Amino acid sequence: DGGITQSPKYLFRKEGQNVTLSCEQNLNHDAMYWYRQDPGQGLRLIYYSQIVNDFQKGDIAEGYSVSREKKESFPLTVTSAQKNPTAFYLCASSMWPGGHTEAFFGQGTRLTVV
Amino acid sequence: DAKTTQPPSMDCAEGRAANLPCNHSTISGNEYVYWYRQIHSQGPQYIIHGLKNNETNEMASLIITEDRKSSTLILPHATLRDTAVYYCIVRVAPYTGTASKLTFGTGTRLQVTL
Repeated sequence: DGGITQSPKYLFRKEGQNVTLSCEQNLNHDAMYWYRQDPGQGLRLIYYSQIVNDFQKGDIAEGYSVSREKKESFPLTVTSAQKNPTAFYLCASSMWPGGHTEAFFGQGTRLTVV
Repeated sequence: DAKTTQPPSMDCAEGRAANLPCNHSTISGNEYVYWYRQIHSQGPQYIIHGLKNNETNEMASLIITEDRKSSTLILPHATLRDTAVYYCIVRVAPYTGTASKLTFGTGTRLQVTL
């Protein structure tokens, strides 16, 4: 089945450690996105990528880094510089450019930093 | 992308129509209106989108006012499974060549009751 997969579903890390969240899609989508969601809040855009080897900062990029070496993959690294990393992280993908197909979301990774 | 305003919460009786409003008074001519919903602790799910004409699909109907400054998502016969947070988003058409951000607000929490 085509879809977008995030792993792991739950992740625990000690404060000060970098951690990388995985996002893979087999939908042949060009664009991929990372969002952060805090309890009771909406989604906030961290980074997005329109094509391989290119990405742009979203609204809250500080303390995060990404790479887009393959079309199918868009990993997110939460660095030790991120002051409050505990959150629910969502990855999405969509066709770009052209057309108005919807964005497909993964099931999310819940990161807890202790 | 234009900003949207939605009521924070709404209730609806099961079997009745749920009408979710969205204000987007600063929308520009090349921006589309998208609706997504998020069931608790899952990734958001696309519902419908439109530019200026009313749209209908198997999930919902989208009514956009003639001046395009507001819209209403209609779930014609709400069920308990429709309980979710509903997000209204306005988005620049992807093929403009500009960055195709997908920015979420805080949405409307719809509670469907027996």
